[in-house]
Amino acid sequence: DAGITQSPRHKVTETGTPVTLRCHQTENHRYMYWYRQDPGHGLRLIHYSYGVKDTDKGEVSDGYSVSRSKTEDFLLTLESATSSQTSVYFCAISEGGHYGYTFGSGTRLTVV
Amino acid sequence: KQEVTQIPAALSVPEGENLVLNCSFTDSAIYNLQWFRQDPGKGLTSLLLIQSSQREQTSGRLNASLDKSSGRSTLYIAASQPGDSATYLCAVDNAGNMLTFGGGTRLMVKP
Repeated sequence: DAGITQSPRHKVTETGTPVTLRCHQTENHRYMYWYRQDPGHGLRLIHYSYGVKDTDKGEVSDGYSVSRSKTEDFLLTLESATSSQTSVYFCAISEGGHYGYTFGSGTRLTVV
Repeated sequence: KQEVTQIPAALSVPEGENLVLNCSFTDSAIYNLQWFRQDPGKGLTSLLLIQSSQREQTSGRLNASLDKSSGRSTLYIAASQPGDSATYLCAVDNAGNMLTFGGGTRLMVKP
């Protein structure tokens, strides 16, 4: 979707290194989310944001941190990447309430 | 905690068949239910959004229904085509700010 972009699209990193994934939106939506998708586990919420500097944990937040300094950007940081964090990461945006969600194209992260 | 289940996990049908994908959820106090399509290696594309006050939504050959009291939704695909082959995901929003996903139904439509 043109209103939400994720970068990078693919990344290979070594165990123990920090990694930051970026989500950028042009829709001015209030809510932004980070999900991970793994075989056998489906899509699970990592963290979400309900406004600038306002974030909260999701189901699988251990090992991840987030920041939102501007409405349009939501960063996901793996402080010290582990092999269990190899996954496809999706960003999503929403206006909340009875509005739906729009997802980005995903970032495929491999930790070796 | 909301739990979302999709049945079947995989489905293979010949081209032209009408088919139904099922989604069930445990907590009926929902804001919305949204159906997505995901092609291999790609992101999620929204197909239909049903708000809690609605019973169904239609888009082209797709029709989604919602029965909150029984905790069920169905996605009906009419006259299936090979291009419909993908994974279909059902997601429920309980609080107006967070989605819970089912495991998906992987659909293969054979020419």
